[in-house]
Amino acid sequence: DAKTTQPTSMDCAEGRAANLPCNHSTISGNEYVYWYRQIHSQGPQYIIHGLKNNETNEMASLIITEDRKSSTLILPHATLRDTAVYYCIVSARPGANNLFFGTGTRLTVIP
Amino acid sequence: NAGVTQTPKFRVLKTGQSMTLLCAQDMNHEYMYWYRQDPGMGLRLIHYSVGEGTTAKGEVPDGYNVSRLKKQNFLLGLESAAPSQTSVYFCASSPGQGARGYTFGSGTRLTVV
Repeated sequence: DAKTTQPTSMDCAEGRAANLPCNHSTISGNEYVYWYRQIHSQGPQYIIHGLKNNETNEMASLIITEDRKSSTLILPHATLRDTAVYYCIVSARPGANNLFFGTGTRLTVIP
Repeated sequence: NAGVTQTPKFRVLKTGQSMTLLCAQDMNHEYMYWYRQDPGMGLRLIHYSVGEGTTAKGEVPDGYNVSRLKKQNFLLGLESAAPSQTSVYFCASSPGQGARGYTFGSGTRLTVV
């Protein structure tokens, strides 16, 4: 599975959009991009995933570049409860048996 | 709809003691996983299962054993606990079909003294 590169930390003002980048330059054609977040010692929470097209759900939007070498998770209106560590993961196999979580991006939403 | 339930939530063990962590899911998921998370680090896969009666080793399996006798339960055992096994343990499950996300439990905080 391809590895990912994310910034260690980011800040975002409450109410503004939070844009979290992820580089996955070695991604293969059959690999999905997954995003999870972990709020202070809780279990990780699935946010969204995509293959080629941009995706949107009730939590976030996922923008994948045309060459699929990078992606951006967008939280449209960040709240204090969005403060968490966000993990970008690339994996080929549906229901994959090993998602490599890495250390993610620590997002702090500032009042 | 409880999702993934882990018991216990907290435990302190003495070196050499044994214990079993229980993970239960009510979503009829095929795949189940055990991860550990050490301070400031990401999650590392210990063992996983792709169906009832199956288990497989993950990234850091040494010192742990698992069993999946029933589809809804995945047990993680520590035969002889060591201080290096002090960690937070997370269980997760996934449908096994289609590119869907995992559902995680709330974790078990284990301290080995």
